[in-house]
Amino acid sequence: DIQMTQSPSSLSASIGDRVTITCRASQSISTYLNWYQLKSGKAPKLLIYAASSLQSGVPSRFSGSGSGTDFTLTINSLQPEDFATYYCQHSYTTQFTFGPGTKVDV
Amino acid sequence: EVQLVESGGGLVQPGGSLRLSCAASGFTFASYGMHWVRQAPGKGLEWISYITTTGSNTYYADSVKGRFTISRDNGKNSLYLQMNSLRAEDTAVFYCATNCAMCYGGFDPWGQGTLVTVSS
Repeated sequence: DIQMTQSPSSLSASIGDRVTITCRASQSISTYLNWYQLKSGKAPKLLIYAASSLQSGVPSRFSGSGSGTDFTLTINSLQPEDFATYYCQHSYTTQFTFGPGTKVDV
Repeated sequence: EVQLVESGGGLVQPGGSLRLSCAASGFTFASYGMHWVRQAPGKGLEWISYITTTGSNTYYADSVKGRFTISRDNGKNSLYLQMNSLRAEDTAVFYCATNCAMCYGGFDPWGQGTLVTVSS
């Protein structure tokens, strides 16, 4: 099975900061990589699919890049509503593994 | 409005069974594969199971294979998860989610989740 890792596991940031989260797959997954935002008590939200495509309705300050095994989620100009936990997930096979998450707090 | 609403969660004893349901509305349910995903307390998201549009193919994480069964009723716009031989480590919020075919297999939308607690 494909394993997903993320770094860092948590980070502290301020409003207006640029935040970068890294995700690595244990084998090549082409661009079958998705990013989600999870806030306490809310449904997870798809932010980025296919490594770099912005899901409809998601603010343009979110962007994704990468292919193969290494991927990045970037949040430009962090906003108060962006404090949350972010997960990467592959959809390369039918074992849809999530990364362990990165918590972004103040 | 596209909506997924889970139900059926609750408290169950170790070794017991529970059946979760997910009611879909606002989209053509029969056209989409569906997933179950869970989040244990203090833990991350864990993909549990996937079912194709007609229900002809199902897939499971190793952690639940042989104990959980995913199914669907397209006539009722509903997804199900039959959970048997439950363990304390199955305690989690369970979410249903739609396989977004236009999104390279991303999951969107998701339900709000239903809490399952396995405890004596």
